[in-house]
Amino acid sequence: AQKVTQAQTEISVVEKEDVTLDCVYETRDTTYYLFWYKQPPSGELVFLIRRNSFDEQNEISGRYSWNFQKSTSSFNFTITASQVVDSAVYFCALSDSKLSFGAGTTVTVRA
Amino acid sequence: DVKVTQSSRYLVKRTGEKVFLECVQDMDHENMFWYRQDPGLGLRLIYFSYDVKMKEKGDIPEGYSVSREKKERFSLILESASTNQTSMYLCASSSLTRASSGNTIYFGEGSWLTVV
Repeated sequence: AQKVTQAQTEISVVEKEDVTLDCVYETRDTTYYLFWYKQPPSGELVFLIRRNSFDEQNEISGRYSWNFQKSTSSFNFTITASQVVDSAVYFCALSDSKLSFGAGTTVTVRA
Repeated sequence: DVKVTQSSRYLVKRTGEKVFLECVQDMDHENMFWYRQDPGLGLRLIYFSYDVKMKEKGDIPEGYSVSREKKERFSLILESASTNQTSMYLCASSSLTRASSGNTIYFGEGSWLTVV
């Protein structure tokens, strides 16, 4: 069974629009961590953010923000005022007994 | 800066060939991982290692083996390559002692393998 679900396969926006990426996860563990990674065309996965299961406080870091809702098992990620350089594949990941990734969402930002 | 280096960026191999994918990290991390990435499937864990000479199967180990003779090096081996192993392979490392932790996993740039 899929542990991490990213329902959006592709998102296309015009520069300066906001982009929200959805992530729903499934785990029986009470202690776990959630991540977002970015994979630009070069291929290397770049760590963006991390949140542990005991901290539901949502934060903003520059143009990135995230919304962790334990009650709905969701960990959504928003890019504010998108730029062309934000074009990439974004992966949500869950670390409980092992690290599981979603299928990824391809974001295309058009100038 | 953290560095995970995969020796080959692009490879083309014939069916039945033995293939070695090499990965080296310079962070003295205990843990190393091999994933494969396929469209629509995300990243799937093949094997991981928590220490030298130690290995554990991930979600899709069939058709693969690994070797960890030195802490910094983790090799993925395809004993007899098949066309369904055409994929992008990603190596990663972390300082975790267990998979369930908040420590960051660092990835290499990936190796694109085509089996013809």
